[in-house]
Amino acid sequence: EAGVTQSPTHLIKTRGQQATLRCSPISGHTSVYWYQQALGLGLQFLLWYDEGEERNRGNFPPRFSGRQFPNYSSELNVNALELEDSALYLCASSPRPNYEQYFGPGTRLTVT
Amino acid sequence: GDSVTQMEGPVTLSEEAFLTINCTYTATGYPSLFWYVQYPGEGLQLLLKATKADDKGSNKGFEATYRKETTSFHLEKGSVQVSDSAVYFCALVTGGFKTIFGAGTRLFVKA
Repeated sequence: EAGVTQSPTHLIKTRGQQATLRCSPISGHTSVYWYQQALGLGLQFLLWYDEGEERNRGNFPPRFSGRQFPNYSSELNVNALELEDSALYLCASSPRPNYEQYFGPGTRLTVT
Repeated sequence: GDSVTQMEGPVTLSEEAFLTINCTYTATGYPSLFWYVQYPGEGLQLLLKATKADDKGSNKGFEATYRKETTSFHLEKGSVQVSDSAVYFCALVTGGFKTIFGAGTRLFVKA
């Protein structure tokens, strides 16, 4: 069974640009979660999607947004990039809410 | 609000030593509790879980017991190996289906 996949592996952008990160969940999983892991810090919850709808959102500004497609894959968009957005962005999926999550390898976003 | 507090690292142990990583939580209701592990350069992997009070989760020699009276979920292993060197995250899932992670504890095991 294929695990959670994320693309790209690395992404380098300049301040003010937009970044798009993608995630494909494990087959059969309907929930997708996004986290930010800044260097030296723990995971901060960003967004949770289930069945195509945004179900919960962490304490991040509106320039962090995303969506979930009918095939349950998901996209995270970060607009007006700032230097402090540089981090590892992790996607996770679960077969249903309130269940253990399976993580992808992450996308390393660097903002210069 | 809901939160998870882990002991600060790094924790440095010699091979075959006993490991304890403390985790306490604050939550309303009855959350599910998890330990995840992140090996260098990789994403997180679920290590073990417990979904109700007095449950014991175990995997790969690691154990943790859901203690409601002390609101704790401490991770233990009787004999650590060099390959256990990683960052360990305690997490809870609240009634609102939101996962809250602790800050992580880095473990170094020396041969």
